[in-house]
Amino acid sequence: DIQMTQSPSTLSASVGDRVTITCRASQSISSWLAWYQQKPGKAPKLLIYKASNLQSGVPSRFSGSGSGTEFTLTISSLQPDDFATYYCQQYNNYWWTFGQGTKVDIK
Amino acid sequence: EVQLVESGGGLVQPGGSLRLSCAASGFTFSSYGMGWVRQAPGKGLEWVSALSASGGSTYYADSVRGRFTISRDNSKNTLYLQMNSLRAEDTAIYYCAKYGQILVAGPQYFDYWGQGTLVTVSS
Repeated sequence: DIQMTQSPSTLSASVGDRVTITCRASQSISSWLAWYQQKPGKAPKLLIYKASNLQSGVPSRFSGSGSGTEFTLTISSLQPDDFATYYCQQYNNYWWTFGQGTKVDIK
Repeated sequence: EVQLVESGGGLVQPGGSLRLSCAASGFTFSSYGMGWVRQAPGKGLEWVSALSASGGSTYYADSVRGRFTISRDNSKNTLYLQMNSLRAEDTAIYYCAKYGQILVAGPQYFDYWGQGTLVTVSS
């Protein structure tokens, strides 16, 4: 199965900061990658699909890039509502796998 | 508005069974594949199972294959997960989730998730 590795595991940042999270796949997944945001006690929320497509209703400060094995999620200017845990997920084959998560907390 | 509402979770002894349900509304249920994803307390997300819009194709993680069965009733707009031979490591919140694209072949991302139902396996 395809392993997904996120870095960093935890990220401390301030409101207004530019934040970048990296996700690496153990083999090529083309652009079959999604990003989710999860807040405590809540279900995950889709942010980005097919590596760089912004889900409807998601603020434009979120963006995704990459293909093959390396991907990034960028928040251009961190807002108070963005403090959460972020997960990448590959859907290249019928064995979906998630990264271990990146917690973004207040510096 | 898309809504997914899970039910059926609870406390069960090791070796026992539970059936989870996910009632869907706000979209044409029979046109979308669906899946189950779980999250153990304080841990990350783990995909469990998925099935196609018709229910004719099913997929399982190795950790549950042979013990869990996914199914759907398109006449009732409901997704199910039958869980047998439960183990302590199956303790988690179970989320149902909807495929992102209509009638598209191949695995997909999940665009809507339910609020989850907690399954606790303990004696």
